[in-house]
Amino acid sequence: LAKTTQPISMDSYEGQEVNITCSHNNIATNDYITWYQQFPSQGPRFIIQGYKTKVTNEVASLFIPADRKSSTLSLPRVSLSDTAVYYCLVGEKGRRALTFGSGTRLQVQP
Amino acid sequence: EAGVTQSPTHLIKTRGQQVTLRCSPISGHTSVYWYQQALGLGLQFLLWYDEGEERNRGNFPPRFSGRQFPNYSSELNVNALELEDSALYLCASSPRGAENSPLHFGNGTRLTVT
Repeated sequence: LAKTTQPISMDSYEGQEVNITCSHNNIATNDYITWYQQFPSQGPRFIIQGYKTKVTNEVASLFIPADRKSSTLSLPRVSLSDTAVYYCLVGEKGRRALTFGSGTRLQVQP
Repeated sequence: EAGVTQSPTHLIKTRGQQVTLRCSPISGHTSVYWYQQALGLGLQFLLWYDEGEERNRGNFPPRFSGRQFPNYSSELNVNALELEDSALYLCASSPRGAENSPLHFGNGTRLTVT
């Protein structure tokens, strides 16, 4: 199983760029990397997904090096509303990733 | 497009009782997933249903069970409630056959066991 490791928590200030790195040393060839955001008392919300190199959408970028053993979620110019828990998931041997890790608790301050 | 809906939003039960939680997936989604999230903790995978069949089960005792109906909605049943069952129960759905498509979550049912 592709176990993931993320920092437990991170602090930032409004307007800064935040990079959250996830390690997944045992990622399989056909596994995708998916990131979710969760606010208190709500279900997780899909942010971004990638397989290799770089993916960008309207809210974030995902950087994946060539060896795919890690990935970095980049949030540009964070605001207070980006305060949340961020989860990195890796597909289990090409099948759907079902296991959420502990996530990274991001606290954005004014 | 309506999202994943769960009912009820909140529930208070007494230890030893039984509870049924309900989930309606996004239209066109055939897979339903159930997760338990205790206060301040991460999501623990409970059950995965697809096309009416249980496809995978997390490390939970048999008193946690569920089913999926022909319209792809789902129920989660918990028997003989214990205090530690107090948690946010989240349901998610995904389209048929799309192994890497993201999960779409509802906002959960908050269960309190006293």
